[in-house]
Amino acid sequence: DTGVSQNPRHKITKRGQNVTFRCDPISEHNRLYWYRQTLGQGPEFLTYFQNEAQLEKSRLLSDRFSAERPKGSFSTLEIQRTEQGDSAMYLCASSREGAQPEHTGELFFGEGSRLTVL
Amino acid sequence: AQSVTQLGSHVSVSEGALVLLRCNYSSSVPPYLFWYVQYPNQGLQLLLKYTTGATLVKGINGFEAEFKKSETSFHLTKPSAHMSDAAEYFCAVSRYSSASKIIFGSGTRLSIRP
Repeated sequence: DTGVSQNPRHKITKRGQNVTFRCDPISEHNRLYWYRQTLGQGPEFLTYFQNEAQLEKSRLLSDRFSAERPKGSFSTLEIQRTEQGDSAMYLCASSREGAQPEHTGELFFGEGSRLTVL
Repeated sequence: AQSVTQLGSHVSVSEGALVLLRCNYSSSVPPYLFWYVQYPNQGLQLLLKYTTGATLVKGINGFEAEFKKSETSFHLTKPSAHMSDAAEYFCAVSRYSSASKIIFGSGTRLSIRP
């Protein structure tokens, strides 16, 4: 179990540029989440996948944000035409969800990808 | 829709004192409830959770929480604080279902005074 891996750990970009973050979940986990966290706030839900299917996307999320999990393994989160308000820590988490509740809600988080938009 | 409210963004207690971090939830259906902890420079990790059954749940490092449906609360307690408990604590909720996103509160920063 190597844990959830996120890359890059830090990204500084200019306003208007596109950025992409990658998340490699724990290998046997079927569910993958993306959250955003700003200073002094809790993680804000963005989207989540069950295997390769995107089950839900936050209504607060603009169309500039897109996420994929093409083969049900790693996932990418792309932000197009970045704005200064996009500056945040982007967190990925994975879990093993199934019929038994003992695994429900046990998210394993990566260390996050910090985005700074100048 | 589900939501959680954490009362107090910052709590400070003396080492050895009782820790009480408050969380109230809102849910139109039976909830699953969680407490996560984030130590400095580390990722979030699950502290404990309530799904079904016993309403008093025990977690790691001596923490426990009690689900009180009548009060829509899930407060986190620890009888005796230790310096290593200093961290950010997040309450979270999801619907009574495995096919549900998890919504986090805004967090409570716990400081421990020597």
